[in-house]
Amino acid sequence: DVKVTQSSRYLVKRTGEKVFLECVQDMDHENMFWYRQDPGLGLRLIYFSYDVKMKEKGDIPEGYSVSREKKERFSLILESASTNQTSMYLCASSPVDRDSYEQYFGPGTRLTVT
Amino acid sequence: GDSVTQMEGPVTLSEEAFLTINCTYTATGYPSLFWYVQYPGEGLQLLLKATKADDKGSNKGFEATYRKETTSFHLEKGSVQVSDSAVYFCALSDLGGKLIFGQGTELSVKP
Repeated sequence: DVKVTQSSRYLVKRTGEKVFLECVQDMDHENMFWYRQDPGLGLRLIYFSYDVKMKEKGDIPEGYSVSREKKERFSLILESASTNQTSMYLCASSPVDRDSYEQYFGPGTRLTVT
Repeated sequence: GDSVTQMEGPVTLSEEAFLTINCTYTATGYPSLFWYVQYPGEGLQLLLKATKADDKGSNKGFEATYRKETTSFHLEKGSVQVSDSAVYFCALSDLGGKLIFGQGTELSVKP
C-alpha cells in the first residue's frame, strides 16, 4: 500500500521560530510537492521537486524554502514563522507517469503560529 | 493559464439523494482530470480519474466523464450516504506534471 507520511499532525510554533515540516514517501516516486490549504482557497502549491537536490518554486513560495537530500524525503522550511503561515500543509508525491500524474497525499500538518 | 472552477459549497443533501458537483476547466493541451476527496481531519485521497476525452472514471458509486467539448468533469452519485460527507476537489494535470485544483466543494449528507 502506497504511503506518504508527515512528521506531525498538529504543530504550534511562535512567531519568528524556524519550522521544519518533514515528508517521507515509500513508493520510490520522483516527484514531490508541498501545498498549503486554506478555507475558500483550495490547495496552493508552495514548492515542488522532480529529483533529488532539485527544487522549483510553485505559486506561493515567499517565506518558505525546501530541501530534498534523499529521494524519499522532502522537507518544507519556514525560516521565520509568521501568523499568516497558520494553515494546513499537505505533502504529495507522484511517479513520472505522463498518462496521469496522479498524486498521493500525506495526512497533513495543521500548523498554528502564535 | 490552466484553471479549474467548481461549484461553490456547502452542498447539503438528504441521504439517498442524487449528487452532482460541477467542475469546468481551462487548459492547454489534453490534461488528465481527477476528483479527490478529503474526509474530516485527513489528507486528500484520489476518488477517480480520467486520462482522455470521453473516458469515464468511477469508484465507490461516484462517476465523472471527461467532456472535451464542454471542458467539464462533473461528479455524480446516484444515492449519497452520510459517510460521503467530505470536501471534494476537482483537479487537472498541467503539461509539467503539476496538479491544478479547484477551490473544493463541501458536501454534508443528513440522515
